[in-house]
Order: sequence, then structure tokens, then C-alpha cells
Amino acid sequence: SAVISQKPSRDICQRGTSLTIQCQVDSQVTMMFWYRQQPGQSLTLIATANQGSEATYESGFVIDKFPISRPNLTFSTLTVSNMSPEDSSIYLCSVEDLGGLGDTQYFGPGTRLTVL
Amino acid sequence: AQSVTQLDSQVPVFEEAPVELRCNYSSSVSVYLFWYVQYPNQGLQLLLKYLSGSTLVKGINGFEAEFNKSQTSFHLRKPSVHISDTAEYFCAVKAGTYKYIFGTGTRLKVLA
Repeated sequence: SAVISQKPSRDICQRGTSLTIQCQVDSQVTMMFWYRQQPGQSLTLIATANQGSEATYESGFVIDKFPISRPNLTFSTLTVSNMSPEDSSIYLCSVEDLGGLGDTQYFGPGTRLTVL
Repeated sequence: AQSVTQLDSQVPVFEEAPVELRCNYSSSVSVYLFWYVQYPNQGLQLLLKYLSGSTLVKGINGFEAEFNKSQTSFHLRKPSVHISDTAEYFCAVKAGTYKYIFGTGTRLKVLA
């Protein structure tokens, strides 16, 4: 399985500012995913990020609000732009392992964001 | 459309008692099913998965789940829980290439 790290682990930000979250994987992966988990709720996929191409966003999420970079096969960033209190969530990075044991998603530890 | 339903939002259980967390899915394609656990202030950790083969799947920490195609269920069980099992548990189904659907989660609270 992949080992995934995220930075920062948590942050408290002011309304109107932006925060960039980093995700690092210990092996090369084709696809990386960004999820949002709002307080007390399940996971919602924001976008999938393929190295060398623009991210694909799910309904309700737009690039201007959540720009994503994927410069290489082990790293991605998610920026939460022009933040409001409604953006307070846990943001999770994940990768899909298509190895011999089959399709499985593995998750990073998450970034807990509070917007004041 | 594929979906996952976790009927119980919270399950309290006494330590060393058995527990079952329920998960039902709907899917029109081959079914890949997963259970993840989220401990407080942490990310999601894979507990177990069903991709094919035996319908009884064993995972980490003594958990197991049974895939029941006729009832479209994938319930998670543990014969004897510990305080350390207190966490949020998510059931998920793979809904297509690079797409996973997660249930709303079940908060397991183990009481001393």
C-alpha cells in the first residue's frame, strides 16, 4: 500500500485568504484524488488529478475555487481560495492502487481547516 | 446510480460485546466494496475489501465482513470490541473508473 503524507495537518485561516495543501506519496501513482469531509459528514470527491493534465472536477466544485496542481507522479497540491467559514472541513488526499490485489483507495491523514 | 447506505449513524456497545455495522449498496455493475475506519483527528484507514472470491472477508484488527449479493449488503462485524475500536466507520463502493461512493458513516462508541 502507498504511504501518503499531507501538509499542513491543520490550520486556522481568516475569511478571504487562501490555503495550499500539499500531498506527497511514497511511490509513483497515476491518479490522485482530493476529497472534502465537512463536519459530521461523509466524504465528497472534489476532483481527480492526473499528472500532466488538468484536474477533473466533480459537480459543484470549480477550478477557480479549488485549483489543483500535479507536477509529478508523487505530488499534488490543492488550494482552497477566497475562503469562507463554509470551507471549514477536513481535506483528504488519496491515491488508487491498481496493483495485483485489485483496486483500492488509500488516504492521507487529512488537513483539518477552520475558517474564521 | 450506485449508492451506499449506512443505516445506523451511531452504535453504542459495551466492551467485549459483539458488534455489527450495517451497509447496503446499490450497483448495476461488478461490485467492489470497502470498509474504512477513521479514528479521531486522523485520515481513513482501510479495514477490509471485497473484490471477488470468498464472500467472507477478514480484515485488520479482528474485523470481518460478509458480502451478500441477494440482500445487497456488506455488513461489518467484530465478535468482541475494545475501547480502542471507538471510531467512525465508512462503507464504500467503487462506482466506476476512479470513482468511489462513500456512505454517511457509523460512529461506533465502545463503552467500558
